[in-house]
Amino acid sequence: QVQLQESGPGLVKPSETLSLSCTVSGYSISSGYCWAWIRQPPGKGLDWIGSVCHTGSTYYNPSLKSRVTISVDTSKNQFSLKLSSLIAADTAVYYCARPHEIALAGPFFDSWGQGTLVTVSS
Amino acid sequence: DIVMTQSPDSLAVSLGERATINCKSSQSVLYSSNNKNYLAWYQQKPGQPPKLLIYWASTRESGVPDRFSGSGSGADFTLTISRLQAEDVAVYFCQQYYDSPWTFGQGTKVEIK
Repeated sequence: QVQLQESGPGLVKPSETLSLSCTVSGYSISSGYCWAWIRQPPGKGLDWIGSVCHTGSTYYNPSLKSRVTISVDTSKNQFSLKLSSLIAADTAVYYCARPHEIALAGPFFDSWGQGTLVTVSS
Repeated sequence: DIVMTQSPDSLAVSLGERATINCKSSQSVLYSSNNKNYLAWYQQKPGQPPKLLIYWASTRESGVPDRFSGSGSGADFTLTISRLQAEDVAVYFCQQYYDSPWTFGQGTKVEIK
């Protein structure tokens, strides 16, 4: 059974860049899927940030595209998120996720990390 | 972007009674070539990630109790919990995967009356 685990700093200053990693166990990232980052501001809904495919191709939410980079490191079986020019509104729980195996062109997610709270504050 | 709007924002239901949550998309999420609605439902309990309940609008994920059911087509969908149990207290989200960016509803909080 696949497991995902986010890691990274819990506190970041405004204007800085957030770097998070998602370590995958129980499945080789290079075997398939487009792996996603999703965030949830405290007490609010879910926002898809973007995805990176096992091939390395990426696609992002246009609302964040100018500030986001998602990459994959198959040697570590990890994928990563970088979000630049942070503001207070970027404070959220950040989840990594994998889509269901039968998802077609669009993903729905059956495997999630536990999430990591990132607070943007000076 | 496809906007997903859920109603109500919260509801309180007695144990054993029915809970009904609605989800409306700003455009149809029915893909005509395969007649599938690209709509999923999730359950999220405090401090936990979302758990997939339903996909293709009405297909229950493996292991999900049959008291959870999804219905609807096009742009109007419903999640029904037929007999509410204490462990069903949670926030429920719908998500469209018809068109990128994939978007979620704002959530509906279900509590015990």
